[in-house]
Amino acid sequence: IAGITQAPTSQILAAGRRMTLRCTQDMRHNAMYWYRQDLGLGLRLIHYSNTAGTTGKGEVPDGYSVSRANTDDFPLTLASAVPSQTSVYFCASSDLAGGINEQFFGPGTRLTVL
Amino acid sequence: GQNIDQPTEMTATEGAIVQINCTYQTSGFNGLFWYQQHAGEAPTFLSYNVLDGLEEKGRFSSFLSRSKGYSYLLLKELQMKDSASYLCAVRDAAAGNKLTFGGGTRVLVKP
Repeated sequence: IAGITQAPTSQILAAGRRMTLRCTQDMRHNAMYWYRQDLGLGLRLIHYSNTAGTTGKGEVPDGYSVSRANTDDFPLTLASAVPSQTSVYFCASSDLAGGINEQFFGPGTRLTVL
Repeated sequence: GQNIDQPTEMTATEGAIVQINCTYQTSGFNGLFWYQQHAGEAPTFLSYNVLDGLEEKGRFSSFLSRSKGYSYLLLKELQMKDSASYLCAVRDAAAGNKLTFGGGTRVLVKP
């Protein structure tokens, strides 16, 4: 089934620990994105990648890093988690080659940092 | 930067019509998207406007006025399953065509 998968579904993490959230898409989309969603603040862009091998910073990049070694995978790493990183994280992808370039979202990862 | 405003919450009755407004300020407008998000789920694409006017898709319509920095999403013949959050997002060519989302409007449909 075509789409975006994220793992894990949820995670409780001790502050200071390192964590990688995984995202994989099989739609061959060139662009991928990571957002966090917090109550009252909507979706905020953390990092993005317009094509394999390139990445860029979004609105709230501090404390997060990403890599884009290939088209399908776009992992998000928290090097040393802090409680303010408690949030729901959504990965998304879009095809920048044509059309309206709407973004397709994964099911999300609910992360709690204690 | 961008500023996107939409109401926090709206309540409507099953079978009725609800209009969700979205106002925005952006330097390089390049399209406006509406997404639907049910509680605990991912946002899903509903509609897209880049030119002024009305786009209709079944029970859902979206309107755009670029000169006023204004859009609305119209939900007709409301059903219980329409209870969800509706997210307005603006694409800005001056910001690398990235999307900026409003805080979302939670719509509660009552019987």
